[in-house]
Amino acid sequence: QKEVEQDPGPLSVPEGAIVSLNCTYSNSAFQYFMWYRQYSRKGPELLMYTYSSGNKEDGRFTAQVDKSSKYISLFIRDSQPSDSATYLCAMRPPSGGSYIPTFGRGTSLIVHP
Amino acid sequence: DVKVTQSSRYLVKRTGEKVFLECVQDMDHENMFWYRQDPGLGLRLIYFSYDVKMKEKGDIPEGYSVSREKKERFSLILESASTNQTSMYLCASSLWVGGNEQFFGPGTRLTVL
Repeated sequence: QKEVEQDPGPLSVPEGAIVSLNCTYSNSAFQYFMWYRQYSRKGPELLMYTYSSGNKEDGRFTAQVDKSSKYISLFIRDSQPSDSATYLCAMRPPSGGSYIPTFGRGTSLIVHP
Repeated sequence: DVKVTQSSRYLVKRTGEKVFLECVQDMDHENMFWYRQDPGLGLRLIYFSYDVKMKEKGDIPEGYSVSREKKERFSLILESASTNQTSMYLCASSLWVGGNEQFFGPGTRLTVL
């Protein structure tokens, strides 16, 4: 079993839908949780990150962490065709442990007009 | 704006050739990384470097080597390319190893025939 599991999709939704992207993990030491967005033929770029449990909101995007369930989510409200991309979760332990993030496989999202 | 550039977007090589992939970052970042990205397998870390002339193996270093002679430049070397090294190669940099943001280059699509 991989440390980080992410359904590769594709996930296809109509414009305006609420999108939920998810990752599960097995390493309870993970404390930092990141979401990257990768457009076709580009490198990933950081969308947002959270520390430990809780929610973080940035515009139409909300990141949620449930450490008790080892489950993280990224919600996209009012999805747009420009949101079509691959979304990768990444996570790592806090300072003092391994600094390198572990990435999920990525979920391909298609938002159609 | 941080910029990470990679020497080639597309590269075609023959089995047994020595291949050099170059990566340059312009933000004086300490740390640089090489990943490969394959469908269904996600991002896998090949090597990383936290200082000039320093390097550490990642999860899949076999068949690869790296060189970091200057802070801004990190090279990935395939000593004798094989068909199973056909992949997308992504370079990234970060301010410190534990930083939550890695800045990625656009990637090099390498095909080994």
